[in-house]
Amino acid sequence: SAVISQKPSRDICQRGTSLTIQCQVDSQVTMMFWYRQQPGQSLTLIATANQGSEATYESGFVIDKFPISRPNLTFSTLTVSNMSPEDSSIYLCSVIAPIQETQYFGPGTRLLVL
Amino acid sequence: AQTVTQSQPEMSVQEAETVTLSCTYDTSESDYYLFWYKQPPSRQMILVIRQEAYKQQNATENRFSVNFQKAAKSFSLKISDSQLGDAAMYFCAYRTSFLNSGGSNYKLTFGKGTLLTVNP
Repeated sequence: SAVISQKPSRDICQRGTSLTIQCQVDSQVTMMFWYRQQPGQSLTLIATANQGSEATYESGFVIDKFPISRPNLTFSTLTVSNMSPEDSSIYLCSVIAPIQETQYFGPGTRLLVL
Repeated sequence: AQTVTQSQPEMSVQEAETVTLSCTYDTSESDYYLFWYKQPPSRQMILVIRQEAYKQQNATENRFSVNFQKAAKSFSLKISDSQLGDAAMYFCAYRTSFLNSGGSNYKLTFGKGTLLTVNP
């Protein structure tokens, strides 16, 4: 399995500001993913981030709102831009373990926008 | 598009008893993966068990086992000898296979979850 860490673990932000969430993996992985879990809801994929290429966004998510960086095979960032209270969610980083084809999740970043 | 349905928003079980969580899915694909994830109050998503669709044998992991009925598109999770630490939200999830997607779509589609309470 892969060990995934995220920073920050939680934050409270003012509307109109931006927050960058970091995801670090203990091994090199090709594919990383960012999910959002709104309060009391299931997980929804925001985008897939592959090293060396532009992130691929799911329907309803755009790069201007959720820019993603993937500078190497162990690290990625997700920025939540121009935040509003509707962005209050848990944001989770996820990776695929190549051999097992199993997806593992980080501990999540709990974001509250006031 | 694939959909995953968990029809039980909440379930409860007595400690040491057995409980079964239901999951059904809709897909036109023949090769795919199914997962059960556990999310305790700490919010960490923990993989409980996974099943490859091409395998007829049901997956087991210690006290956790699945009943995979491919024709019925059903994938239930059985927890035996329930423990207090099993209390959590349980999510069923679907993913297409690497071969089907050409390596381009590893999206997990989740159900809405079942909140499991374990009573002492």
